[in-house]
Amino acid sequence: DGGITQSPKYLFRKEGQNVTLSCEQNLNHDAMYWYRQDPGQGLRLIYYSQIVNDFQKGDIAEGYSVSREKKESFPLTVTSAQKNPTAFYLCASKEVLANYNEQFFGPGTRLTVL
Amino acid sequence: GESVGLHLPTLSVQEGDNSIINCAYSNSASDYFIWYKQESGKGPQFIIDIRSNMDKRQGQRVTVLLNKTVKHLSLQIAATQPGDSAVYFCAENMGAGGTSYGKLTFGQGTILTVHP
Repeated sequence: DGGITQSPKYLFRKEGQNVTLSCEQNLNHDAMYWYRQDPGQGLRLIYYSQIVNDFQKGDIAEGYSVSREKKESFPLTVTSAQKNPTAFYLCASKEVLANYNEQFFGPGTRLTVL
Repeated sequence: GESVGLHLPTLSVQEGDNSIINCAYSNSASDYFIWYKQESGKGPQFIIDIRSNMDKRQGQRVTVLLNKTVKHLSLQIAATQPGDSAVYFCAENMGAGGTSYGKLTFGQGTILTVHP
């Protein structure tokens, strides 16, 4: 089955620790995205990547880092510099060559800081 | 309809009724709009999309209406079912020409509850 997988589903972190969230897609999409969702809020863009070895900051990139070494993978690291990391994190991907088409989302990772 | 703030708008309907969810978007240059459905604890699922050169598009049980004059988008769900209960988000693509990187801006969401 083609799709986007995120792991783990739930993640707990102690203050001061970095954690990495995994996102993998087998849709052969060039573009990938990371969003953060807080309770009662819409999705806010953290980082996005249009192609391997290239990525851009979104609206709330501070305290986060990403890499795009492979087309199918776009891991997100939540660093200790992120002051309020507890949230639901969503990864998405999109076909680049086709305009006017939707992003496909993964199931999400819920991160809780203890 | 959707609005800025911590409390999501809610819509409660009876099974079988038609539902209308509204969204005000922010950028008159946005050229592509999407509706997503998000069930609790899951990622958003695509419902329907519309380009700015259209004012109406229909899918299976769903219709999206676009009014560019007042920057308003609506999602109509016909014969609403309990399985339609979820949070519904509109999203706009602010790039000209449906830019390839597909950067979307999402609304706050509306909670739809369908009572049997």
